[in-house]
Amino acid sequence: GENVGLHLPTLSVQEGDNSIINCAYSNSASDYFIWYKQESGKGPQFIIDIRSNMDKRQGQRVTVLLNKTVKHLSLQIAATQPGDSAVYFCAENNNAGNMLTFGGGTRLMVKP
Amino acid sequence: EPEVTQTPSHQVTQMGQEVILRCVPISNHLYFYWYRQILGQKVEFLVSFYNNEISEKSEIFDDQFSVERPDGSNFTLKIRSTKLEDSAMYFCASRSQLNTGELFFGEGSRLTVL
Repeated sequence: GENVGLHLPTLSVQEGDNSIINCAYSNSASDYFIWYKQESGKGPQFIIDIRSNMDKRQGQRVTVLLNKTVKHLSLQIAATQPGDSAVYFCAENNNAGNMLTFGGGTRLMVKP
Repeated sequence: EPEVTQTPSHQVTQMGQEVILRCVPISNHLYFYWYRQILGQKVEFLVSFYNNEISEKSEIFDDQFSVERPDGSNFTLKIRSTKLEDSAMYFCASRSQLNTGELFFGEGSRLTVL
């Protein structure tokens, strides 16, 4: 069936380095994607979103890239900080927009 | 900053008991959701709610589950007869518009079924 998945379950980076978290999706009809950050014991927190008519969107220290040809989404975090340590989920909005489907999550660990 | 609030933060119940989890979505939002997350796993969609009715539900959301918006501010999830496998974090979420609206999540209610 349609699904959203992640390539790597855990990513460990040095403080100050850039991080790249990847996500593959299979529903070619999805038109809206969101990256969420989840810290331990908390709810998912919105980071950045992108519509399917775009291939790149930048926020503060974060960039989302969308490659519709290969159905790939990535989150880039510049100058990763200890506070960035969390689990990151990509999510896709289905056609009707009623449901956000989450991927499996990648744990980002930032080493001081 | 407006936020989604959930109560209780943690509930422990015996198998077979009924549980009601409560949520107060952001006041001007129109679309409401329940998700659950079993420990260490991904966030799974349960149900979406709009205009006082369910708009979509997943296979997880069987006859044991129900949702209600009883008074225009609260949004509740009821599990009629809890099972061990219902133990999870339950997240309420809301947004103001479909398709491009950010989904705001509450901090979650941890349900432990013994």
